[in-house]
Amino acid sequence: KQEVTQIPAALSVPEGENLVLNCSFTDSAIYNLQWFRQDPGKGLTSLLLIQSSQREQTSGRLNASLDKSSGRSTLYIAASQPGDSATYLCAVRHRIRNTNAGKSTFGDGTTLTVKP
Amino acid sequence: NAGVTQTPKFQVLKTGQSMTLQCAQDMNHEYMSWYRQDPGMGLRLIHYSVGAGITDQGEVPNGYNVSRSTTEDFPLRLLSAAPSQTSVYFCASRAFLEYTEAFFGQGTRLTVV
Repeated sequence: KQEVTQIPAALSVPEGENLVLNCSFTDSAIYNLQWFRQDPGKGLTSLLLIQSSQREQTSGRLNASLDKSSGRSTLYIAASQPGDSATYLCAVRHRIRNTNAGKSTFGDGTTLTVKP
Repeated sequence: NAGVTQTPKFQVLKTGQSMTLQCAQDMNHEYMSWYRQDPGMGLRLIHYSVGAGITDQGEVPNGYNVSRSTTEDFPLRLLSAAPSQTSVYFCASRAFLEYTEAFFGQGTRLTVV
């Protein structure tokens, strides 16, 4: 069974700091991994999607890496801003055992606070 | 630029009442799904559909029904609401192929009293 873990559960940093959020998964047979941002009381906003054949993806100040063999992904945020404060979730897309159907398994998220 | 639209945003039900949560997408996505999000339990899949007329159960399907009569719409029905169904419900869609990006609606916050 695929399990996805995000550590730490919460992180507080001063504005301007570079930071890394971690996501680990137990089964490396994945289609892709997607990072989301969730603001309080809101839905999930897609940040980056990394295919299983890729090593990293970049969008603006965000860089996500994927190491399938070790079951790890990181989300790097450069020059953090108070507006980056949110919960960040990773989701692993993988095959349901003995079927051709796919399934997304989510981590519980890391809640980031960036202090002015 | 609507994407995935969920209605209502908030709902309070009494135990035993039924209701339908609406979800619509305008991206012509074949794959749609419903999740519930609870503190400490993350997002859990309730039901999903790989196309009009095709639905299947996820991890936590009990107490919920779905149907998919069109590509655009995927309503979630609560048959007889229970306090355990108090949660935030999210609808998501993606194109059918597994390497595509998932898009989420803004959620419906449901309270069952």
